Formats: sequence, C-alpha cells, structure tokens
Amino acid sequence: GQQLNQSPQSMFIQEGEDVSMNCTSSSIFNTWLWYKQDPGEGPVLLIALYKAGELTSNGRLTAQFGITRKDSFLNISASIPSDVGIYFCAGQLGSGAGSYQLTFGKGTKLSVIP
Amino acid sequence: GAVVSQHPSRVICKSGTSVKIECRSLDFQATTMFWYRQFPKQSLMLMATSNEGSKATYEQGVEKDKFLINHASLTLSTLTVTSAHPEDSSFYICSARGANYGYTFGSGTRLTVV
Repeated sequence: GQQLNQSPQSMFIQEGEDVSMNCTSSSIFNTWLWYKQDPGEGPVLLIALYKAGELTSNGRLTAQFGITRKDSFLNISASIPSDVGIYFCAGQLGSGAGSYQLTFGKGTKLSVIP
Repeated sequence: GAVVSQHPSRVICKSGTSVKIECRSLDFQATTMFWYRQFPKQSLMLMATSNEGSKATYEQGVEKDKFLINHASLTLSTLTVTSAHPEDSSFYICSARGANYGYTFGSGTRLTVV
C-alpha cells in the first residue's frame, strides 16, 4: 500500500522559532491534509490542499502541495507553547477503489520550550 | 463547521465482554465513515471503511467478526469490539466524510480491557 514518509519524527524548539516538517511519498496523491493531534484527542484539520503547487495559509501555518504531487510541507511561524502536539500529514488518492481512504504519515511530535 | 461526536471517550471493560463505540455526524450527512486504531506514539491505522447501508470494508489483518461495524444511517456508525481482550486495549478514532465536507474526526475512545 501507499506509504508516507514524514520527517522529522520529533523536534524541540524555542518559543518564537519557526518550524518546518514535510511528507514525501512514492505515490501521487490528489489531496494533502495536515492535522494536529493533542493527547487523548482526535486529529483536528489544520490545512487542506487540493491542487499541485497550491500554497495555503491558516494564521501562522503555511502548507504547500508539491508540484510532483508526491510531497507536502507544513511551516509554523513564531511558535507558541500551544503549538505543542503531534502533527500528521495525510494523503488521499482520489480515484479508484479505496480512493476516499486517507494514508497517514507517522507524525511529527513538536515540543516548544518557553 | 462539521462536527463528529464520538462516545464514550473512555471505557474500561472486563475481558470477554463486548463494547460499543458510537460515532455521529452532528450537522452533516456522512456517506462514508472510517474507523481507526492508534497505539501509543504511533500513527492512525485504518481498520475499516463503511458506507451507509452497506457492509463495511475491512483492512487486511482486521478481524471483521471481532470488530463489528454498523453504519445504519447517514449520521451514525458504531464499532463493537466483541469478546474484548487486553490486547484490544487501544485508542479508537472515527472519521466521517460527506458531500461538501472533508474528513472530520471524532475525539476518540480510550478502551482499556482488564
């Protein structure tokens, strides 16, 4: 099946620093999604990307859908303590059997040092 | 925005008993619902996909007789863990998808089998 390689696995940063994480795949995806999960909670959608090359912002978050449709990155600017959590990328194939299923990356655990 | 309600949030049951988890889309019709399992410090693993009114499609390695899924209406899907054992202890998360609505996740259910 499809696999998403998400990196880094974890990161410790100072409050105020910018953060970047990315996902790559050997498969082409039609949709890329970025989620944040807090402990004991379900994932919450941060940004959805639907077109190759698309660059979308949501407050301090910016994400891009790679031109090859095999990768995406998420940037967080001026991090704050509440950014702590696990960030997941997810891709959707968008066509054929099982196309509505999401494939998840393994997550990036973000720790922010005040 | 789309809201998915998942209950219970936590449940402790005795080994050998069955547990039912409910997933409701509160303000949209969910044509497809997904059930995931998440082990500590790991990503979400898709267990099954269910479409309203039809049988669920289970991922390879997931026992359909143990994890019973019912998607009887466009707003409700249930997962029943039958004859639960300690190894079934995990975090279970549902997700709902509808026309004009992307993937919205429930808040998860922490199952502990003792």
